[in-house]
Amino acid sequence: EAGVTQFPSHSVIEKGQTVTLRCDPISGHDNLYWYRRVMGKEIKFLLHFVKESKQDESGMPNNRFLAERTGGTYSTLKVQPAELEDSGVYFCASSRFSGANVLTFGAGSRLTVL
Amino acid sequence: QQQVKQSPQSLIVQKGGISIINCAYENTAFDYFPWYQQFPGKGPALLIAIRPDVSEKKEGRFTISFNKSAKQFSLHIMDSQPGDSATYFCAASPHKAAGNKLTFGGGTRVLVKP
Repeated sequence: EAGVTQFPSHSVIEKGQTVTLRCDPISGHDNLYWYRRVMGKEIKFLLHFVKESKQDESGMPNNRFLAERTGGTYSTLKVQPAELEDSGVYFCASSRFSGANVLTFGAGSRLTVL
Repeated sequence: QQQVKQSPQSLIVQKGGISIINCAYENTAFDYFPWYQQFPGKGPALLIAIRPDVSEKKEGRFTISFNKSAKQFSLHIMDSQPGDSATYFCAASPHKAAGNKLTFGGGTRVLVKP
């Protein structure tokens, strides 16, 4: 079974530019999550998709962040315009079922905003 | 506001020694407490998890101790090996009906010296 794939692995952009991160979950996993770790701090929840629907987006920092999961397969997380404080590692995770089940994380996309 | 506090931030232990990482939480709604292990360049991977109905869970060299009244839990790595060198995250989530919305601690970098 292929794991959770994230692209790009590292992105360096200027403040004010736009970046789109992509996540391909494990096939058959309806639940997809985005998390973020900023400046070596704790990993924080951003949002949760069930198929193509946003189940919980309470962790999204502000309206510069837009997450989509068209068709309930892969997901994208767009940051527009990027700010310095957006730098960090963005993790995607997926699970077959909701609830306290095992989350499989991707390797993360490191975003550096200069 | 950090809901799960993890200590220490880093830990150096000799091969064969015991690594101990502590976490404390505030939210009494938490009832699932996993530990994740992350190697450089990889995503966090579930290591071991516990529910509050037991005070201890052991899997191989890894043991979780849980103190519900103190709202604390810890990870013990017995006979630590260089291959255990990684970052460890404790986490917590509420009842499974709320989904896999994990609240993570800040992480502990463990270095096991040969």
